[in-house]
Amino acid sequence: DVKVTQSSRYLVKRTGEKVFLECVQDMDHENMFWYRQDPGLGLRLIYFSYDVKMKEKGDIPEGYSVSREKKERFSLILESASTNQTSMYLCASSLTRGLAGKETQYFGPGTRLLVL
Amino acid sequence: AQSVTQLDSHVSVSEGTPVLLRCNYSSSYSPSLFWYVQHPNKGLQLLLKYTSAATLVKGINGFEAEFKKSETSFHLTKPSAHMSDAAEYFCVVPRRSNYQLIWGAGTKLIIKP
Repeated sequence: DVKVTQSSRYLVKRTGEKVFLECVQDMDHENMFWYRQDPGLGLRLIYFSYDVKMKEKGDIPEGYSVSREKKERFSLILESASTNQTSMYLCASSLTRGLAGKETQYFGPGTRLLVL
Repeated sequence: AQSVTQLDSHVSVSEGTPVLLRCNYSSSYSPSLFWYVQHPNKGLQLLLKYTSAATLVKGINGFEAEFKKSETSFHLTKPSAHMSDAAEYFCVVPRRSNYQLIWGAGTKLIIKP
């Protein structure tokens, strides 16, 4: 069975802290994604990776960075957390490089981050 | 530029009555189209997808959607709602330039007993 796991379900951080969110998939997928989900806005793509050490900016990359050192692991980093980064963060993966728009994406359970 | 519009932020139906969740897309080519569902406190999962085969697509849990190119619509339907259908539903279209996905704002489906 397909599985995407995220390191935390809930996280509370202070403004200015560096925050790490980790995502692991066990399906040997090429593509991994980080989204944030806010009410009334759907999902917005932060970063996308199609291979180890490769990344592309999504729609809202400001204030975030990512790391993909191994195929199965994709980390999202908030360099200096701010209150407007309070949100639900979702990680996803899909199988084939170059077909991200045609394939099913598999999602983790999400991390609800509160920045105080 | 591609875009997707879900016409209702909330839809409320009684159990046993039909469900209609509306989605319009804007695209200069025939896209793939997806519906995803997010149940409360659960992860997102694929409900169904259209990839230019049959225009009527069947998904999980009795849902189906019809691709209508002339109307640029991909509405989601179910003949008879069940309490377990209460969830948020997202219509999704690929962005042509780099194959990323564009997500609609979501429609919350409320089922009345």
